[in-house]
Amino acid sequence: AQKITQTQPGMFVQEKEAVTLDCTYDTSDPSYGLFWYKQPSSGEMIFLIYQGSYDQQNATEGRYSLNFQKARKSANLVISASQLGDSAMYFCAMREEGYGGATNKLIFGTGTLLAVQP
Amino acid sequence: DVKVTQSSRYLVKRTGEKVFLECVQDMDHENMFWYRQDPGLGLRLIYFSYDVKMKEKGDIPEGYSVSREKKERFSLILESASTNQTSMYLCASSLRGPTNEKLFFGSGTQLSVL
Repeated sequence: AQKITQTQPGMFVQEKEAVTLDCTYDTSDPSYGLFWYKQPSSGEMIFLIYQGSYDQQNATEGRYSLNFQKARKSANLVISASQLGDSAMYFCAMREEGYGGATNKLIFGTGTLLAVQP
Repeated sequence: DVKVTQSSRYLVKRTGEKVFLECVQDMDHENMFWYRQDPGLGLRLIYFSYDVKMKEKGDIPEGYSVSREKKERFSLILESASTNQTSMYLCASSLRGPTNEKLFFGSGTQLSVL
């Protein structure tokens, strides 16, 4: 069964520094996708970045990059040059391909609360 | 822009009441989902639907049912609300397709059962 683990309930980072949020996953499906979402205090879920299991390069989206280590089953989110607006809950999630993509469900981790300090 | 609309932002119900949470999306997405979010537990999938009248149980379906009579609308039903169903409920939708199809979320319904 698929599973996502985020071991850091909360983290502090100084403004302008880089921070890594950890995510490990477990699946037996060779085809899967990994996502990171941000949830600020307003409650909305904001998609940040996606990595496919067959992608050769790590995904990047602006200040966000995903450190994908397939053999270790880890998909850590790296935020460079942290800003005060990055303070939020961050969720790692995974979708398995399944059979014909019929499952398509996204399973989430427990989240990491990031606090950026000035 | 994709819009996923949940009918209520805050809801207060009494124990034993039948509760309906409504979700509507306007992008013709095949897939729709209901999650509940609790502190320290993240988002847990209650039910999802990949087509009209089709539904699949998620990880925590007990005490809930769903209805999808039209493609754009997915309802979550609490047949007899209990205090342990006090939570934030998030609806989401996506296209059916490869693994890179992201979910679009509604703004959530904070349900309190007293």
